[in-house]
Amino acid sequence: NAGVTQTPKFRVLKTGQSMTLLCAQDMNHEYMYWYRQDPGMGLRLIHYSVGEGTTAKGEVPDGYNVSRLKKQNFLLGLESAAPSQTSVYFCASRVLAGVYNEQFFGPGTRLTVL
Amino acid sequence: QQQVKQSPQSLIVQKGGISIINCAYENTAFDYFPWYQQFPGKGPALLIAIRPDVSEKKEGRFTISFNKSAKQFSLHIMDSQPGDSATYFCAASDNRGSTLGRLYFGRGTQLTVWP
Repeated sequence: NAGVTQTPKFRVLKTGQSMTLLCAQDMNHEYMYWYRQDPGMGLRLIHYSVGEGTTAKGEVPDGYNVSRLKKQNFLLGLESAAPSQTSVYFCASRVLAGVYNEQFFGPGTRLTVL
Repeated sequence: QQQVKQSPQSLIVQKGGISIINCAYENTAFDYFPWYQQFPGKGPALLIAIRPDVSEKKEGRFTISFNKSAKQFSLHIMDSQPGDSATYFCAASDNRGSTLGRLYFGRGTQLTVWP
């Protein structure tokens, strides 16, 4: 099992450009999440999905859109990138139910917006 | 409003010493308290977790102490090793409510263990 994978690993954008980050998981997990990590700010939830075809806003959703067309994939889109979106982005997934809510994280995508 | 407050932001410990990281929360509905460990260039990974029906959980050199009345929990790393140098995040979730088990993370503690 590859677990949670993210594509690409690194990306540099110019202000106003668009891009899509791809997250894939092979663990048949229902829930998927997108976080951003900035120095001193911890992990902040952008959007999440509780199943195929569903998405919901997290703590910092502005400037981002998401789609979950297939259970194993969760896409994060930036329509018009801004320097404030320079960050490391992590995707995570977990099973639908369980006493212990372990989230499995991908390796991250480092995005720089110039 | 930050749901989980973590301190200190950074911690330097000598090899063999005890590392202690503290977290506090306000939401009494939280019923799951994990700690995640993150090495540079990697994603966070679950280290240890506790539920509020116990006051302590130990796994090897890592121990969570939980104080329900004070709404605080802490991570203790005994006999700290250079390989423990990483960023540690505490988190909390409410698995029975409308948040569907969403994790709320602290801001992280960067631990450095000197040899």
